Amino acid sequence: QSVLTQPPSASGTPGQRVTISCSGSSSSIGSNTVDWYQQLPGTAPKLLIYSNNQRPSGVPDRFSGSKSGTSASLAISGLQSEDEADYYCAAWDDSLNGRVFGGGTKLTVL
Amino acid sequence: QVQLQQSGPGLVKPSQTLSLTCAISGDSVSTNSAAWNWIRQSPSRGLEWMGRTYYRSKWYNDYAVSVKSRISINPDTSKNQFSLQLNSVTPEDTAVYYCARERGGVDYWGQGTLVTVSS
Repeated sequence: QSVLTQPPSASGTPGQRVTISCSGSSSSIGSNTVDWYQQLPGTAPKLLIYSNNQRPSGVPDRFSGSKSGTSASLAISGLQSEDEADYYCAAWDDSLNGRVFGGGTKLTVL
Repeated sequence: QVQLQQSGPGLVKPSQTLSLTCAISGDSVSTNSAAWNWIRQSPSRGLEWMGRTYYRSKWYNDYAVSVKSRISINPDTSKNQFSLQLNSVTPEDTAVYYCARERGGVDYWGQGTLVTVSS
């Protein structure tokens, strides 16, 4: 069981806006910044969002992140077929003194 | 461009030691602005952070509670690489192992190594 909680699945149609939630605790998301990763089948995860809402160079602005209290969200607007992937949130946990991940959300583009 | 190249065996016997190495190009293991991580992934455990090493005037390590008694992550400045050793492995340690750079988020990942623990 993962320390950060994500819905196991999400779906949307092309062009739609989809959000994925990530719930943590006061020692994880409540005290530290959140990252989001995209993983395509057979590949390593790719950093999408860091420090709650910052996009690395090359990540489209269709991807955005936010955080409030002990929860965070990833939003994908203008959904495209190539966005079909697994998405993970992550944060440092002060109680565990380690990085923790969510269980992942499988996004299906219908 | 940062590149991380992993090497090490894909098959380890139960009770033995899992050893992997991550060679860094495009950055330095001794940099003051990054940390060097090992992360594994399996269907049963998902993505699991194992630990990291980093240099801030001296070397530091952080390890996950789940493996703290069995793990060692060490930098090798002469070869600009870092390594993972996990002792007393069991079949539950079967996973894809990734080395990765952390700078802000975890922004560069190795190619992944599937390590199977089996006799």
